[in-house]
Amino acid sequence: GAVVSQHPSRVICKSGTSVKIECRSLDFQATTMFWYRQFPKKSLMLMATSNEGSKATYEQGVEKDKFLINHASLTLSTLTVTSAHPEDSSFYICSANMFRVGSYEQYFGPGTRLTVT
Amino acid sequence: GEDVEQSLFLSVREGDSSVINCTYTDSSSTYLYWYKQEPGAGLQLLTYIFSNMDMKQDQRLTVLLNKKDKHLSLRIADTQTGDSAIYFCAESPSGGSYIPTFGRGTSLIVHP
Repeated sequence: GAVVSQHPSRVICKSGTSVKIECRSLDFQATTMFWYRQFPKKSLMLMATSNEGSKATYEQGVEKDKFLINHASLTLSTLTVTSAHPEDSSFYICSANMFRVGSYEQYFGPGTRLTVT
Repeated sequence: GEDVEQSLFLSVREGDSSVINCTYTDSSSTYLYWYKQEPGAGLQLLTYIFSNMDMKQDQRLTVLLNKKDKHLSLRIADTQTGDSAIYFCAESPSGGSYIPTFGRGTSLIVHP
């Protein structure tokens, strides 16, 4: 299957600082990538849809100025958590869609554990 | 209620079969997925089924779809301890952005 990587896998930062998370599709081009946030014992919450070459589409309730998304190329999307606070601590997962005729498959990265102290 | 519902926990003995159930509400769902998430990791696509299919089998995995009742199940034969994980059911409609809607996940615990 297709491979999606995330970097870093784990990050601890101080309150007030910004953190950048990278999502890369390693062996395919992804015109669309997705950013999810996962709370403990909860399902994935879609934060935004990242489209290459255009502005991201944010889900209701997600602050676009706090969670900056840049889809710079067909293989890279970044999520920057600005002025992080402890309540931003979470598991962030990206995914990229691989579109094939007759099906739609979404491949997930391994996730990034963010801890804000 | 939620769009995709799953029971939160399932405990089975090693070697037995596991059946994880899922119900969804969107009658326009075209693609139905099962994902596996191991601790501290992202989601791994296990299998998917189109809404015009009743069953799909892939090695130890069998997916059953009852479109009338909007019920999807995942059966894992000969469950192993390595199958312990959270299993997410998801559905997406045809057309549009294909963004899937996930259930809350079922934690499968396999006892030796």
